Amino acid sequence: GNSVTQMEGPVTLSEEAFLTINCTYTATGYPSLFWYVQYPGEGLQLLLKATKADDKGSNKGFEATYRKETTSFHLEKGSVQVSDSAVYFCALYSGAGSYQLTFGKGTKLSVIP
Amino acid sequence: DAGITQSPRYKITETGRQVTLMCHQTWSHSYMFWYRQDLGHGLRLIYYSAAADITDKGEVPDGYVVSRSKTENFPLTLESATRSQTSVYFCASSLSREPEQFFGPGTRLTVL
Repeated sequence: GNSVTQMEGPVTLSEEAFLTINCTYTATGYPSLFWYVQYPGEGLQLLLKATKADDKGSNKGFEATYRKETTSFHLEKGSVQVSDSAVYFCALYSGAGSYQLTFGKGTKLSVIP
Repeated sequence: DAGITQSPRYKITETGRQVTLMCHQTWSHSYMFWYRQDLGHGLRLIYYSAAADITDKGEVPDGYVVSRSKTENFPLTLESATRSQTSVYFCASSLSREPEQFFGPGTRLTVL
């Protein structure tokens, strides 16, 4: 079946540090890949997505590249801010008819001034 | 544009009681989903619905019941709440043929 594996958290960084959150997946076919962000006390919001191999999704300074050869979709940001403190979820959509997403367990990021 | 709303936002109940969590969306999205979020498990799908009167089980459906008589509403009922159902519940929706899901703000349920 489909699965998503994210790096264990929590991750604590100083402001302006470089961020990488690793995500690897297992899926049949050609999945679409997503990063969602959950700020404290809120629901999940789509951060970025990529629908085919070598696509790069980007938003708010975050980037992730769909690497089919390594089945990965790592999230990166060059300079994090305190406001980026949140839980980040990697997810995939396998293309099956039910439009279900498979989520990773989430990585909590804390950015300290 | 209200989007997707959930009510109540917080609920405390006792073991054995019936509880209904409400979800309402204003976009006329075809698909709706219920997830529970627990530490160490991430989000797990409870039930989903492809359209009014069409529902199907997800990964963890036991102890839950759903209905969808109208496109915009997708209530989740715990028929006899148990402590293991203490969790944060999220409703989500998506357009037909589009995998991107839009999430509500969540309901924090505590079962004593």
